[in-house]
Amino acid sequence: AQSVAQPEDQVNVAEGNPLTVKCTYSVSGNPYLFWYVQYPNRGLQFLLKYITGDNLVKGSYGFEAEFNKSQTSFHLKKPSALVSDSALYFCAVDRGGADGLTFGKGTHLIIQP
Amino acid sequence: KAGVTQTPRYLIKTRGQQVTLSCSPISGHRSVSWYQQTPGQGLQFLFEYFSETQRNKGNFPGRFSGRQFSNSRSEMNVSTLELGDSALYLCASSTGVPNEKLFFGSGTQLSVL
Repeated sequence: AQSVAQPEDQVNVAEGNPLTVKCTYSVSGNPYLFWYVQYPNRGLQFLLKYITGDNLVKGSYGFEAEFNKSQTSFHLKKPSALVSDSALYFCAVDRGGADGLTFGKGTHLIIQP
Repeated sequence: KAGVTQTPRYLIKTRGQQVTLSCSPISGHRSVSWYQQTPGQGLQFLFEYFSETQRNKGNFPGRFSGRQFSNSRSEMNVSTLELGDSALYLCASSTGVPNEKLFFGSGTQLSVL
């Protein structure tokens, strides 16, 4: 079975400061990792994914994520937060099998002006 | 290019009734997946259809079913509704290549009274 943990329900960051949203995963075999963002009353939007290769993955809207195999983590980062980054962020894992995407519970990111 | 379209946007049903939700994928996409989103359980995978065939299935009871038509449009049906079926139902489309990013619709908010 595969699982994803997002240990923080909410992360508060001041505008202009760096932000990190944490994610750890558990999966047998090679993981395929994703980050999605959900704005109020909207569906999810893809931010970035890790399949293989460079451990630092760059995505949309200036976000990036670092894959760490030894710590089984895939934290989402951004050097300078914007108020418009405030949203619900989901980490997800897919091992290419019959389970579809397995999502974490989500982390509310609040950027304060 | 038009995005993923889900109809209706809101539904109110009573226990015991059945409901059908509709999803039109992005043009050219052959895979449609369905997810249930609730505050308690988060996002859970229901099933995936590819070229009119169910390719993957999550851990939901048989009351939840779906189908896909030759134009890739998909419907999801829930029979004998229960209060716990109240949720946001999200549809996502992709070309069907494994581990490709998903494009989500805005969802159908189902309330069961």
